[in-house]
Amino acid sequence: ETGVTQSPTHLIKTRGQQVTLRCSSQSGHNTVSWYQQALGQGPQFIFQYYREEENGRGNFPPRFSGLQFPNYSSELNVNALELDDSALYLCASSLGGGAGETQYFGPGTRLLVL
Amino acid sequence: AQTVTQSQPEMSVQEAETVTLSCTYDTSENNYYLFWYKQPPSRQMILVIRQEAYKQQNATENRFSVNFQKAAKSFSLKISDSQLGDTAMYFCAFPPYGNKLVFGAGTILRVKS
Repeated sequence: ETGVTQSPTHLIKTRGQQVTLRCSSQSGHNTVSWYQQALGQGPQFIFQYYREEENGRGNFPPRFSGLQFPNYSSELNVNALELDDSALYLCASSLGGGAGETQYFGPGTRLLVL
Repeated sequence: AQTVTQSQPEMSVQEAETVTLSCTYDTSENNYYLFWYKQPPSRQMILVIRQEAYKQQNATENRFSVNFQKAAKSFSLKISDSQLGDTAMYFCAFPPYGNKLVFGAGTILRVKS
């Protein structure tokens, strides 16, 4: 069974640029959630995708957008990068988006915005 | 607003001893789930233990157990026989909507030899 994978591992961008982060869900999982984790803080929910449709969104501006593909892999896109977007971005997959469904996390992508 | 509070920013414990990490949460729901996740220095978040609120019995996973006090909205994690590999950031998490998690600020646990 393959776990959740994310790419790239690290990324450096400059303010105003755009970035795309990728996530492959665990085998058999149809739901992907994205979280932003600033240094020294707990992760913050960005949004969730269930069977290629957005299934809930946290308090993030529209410049944070996403996609889920038929194979349930997912992308997180961030436009017009700001310095405060520097963080660890975590992807988590689950078998559905129900309350009892455990989320399994990938290793994350560390984004630095200069 | 649904919140999760971890009041201990940092904790230390000697190897082989027991340590308890505290967590409180706020919800008006009756049936829900609670989670403890561990994030070692290598950063991959790993599920430690999960509790279903409608179950009276506290969850246990090997050396990890919880003390779930529903009325007090308290969900503490007890680690017995602490090992060096338990050194990590520990997050308490609660999903107020579906399984979309709200995390606490975390507790850094250092296990000393």
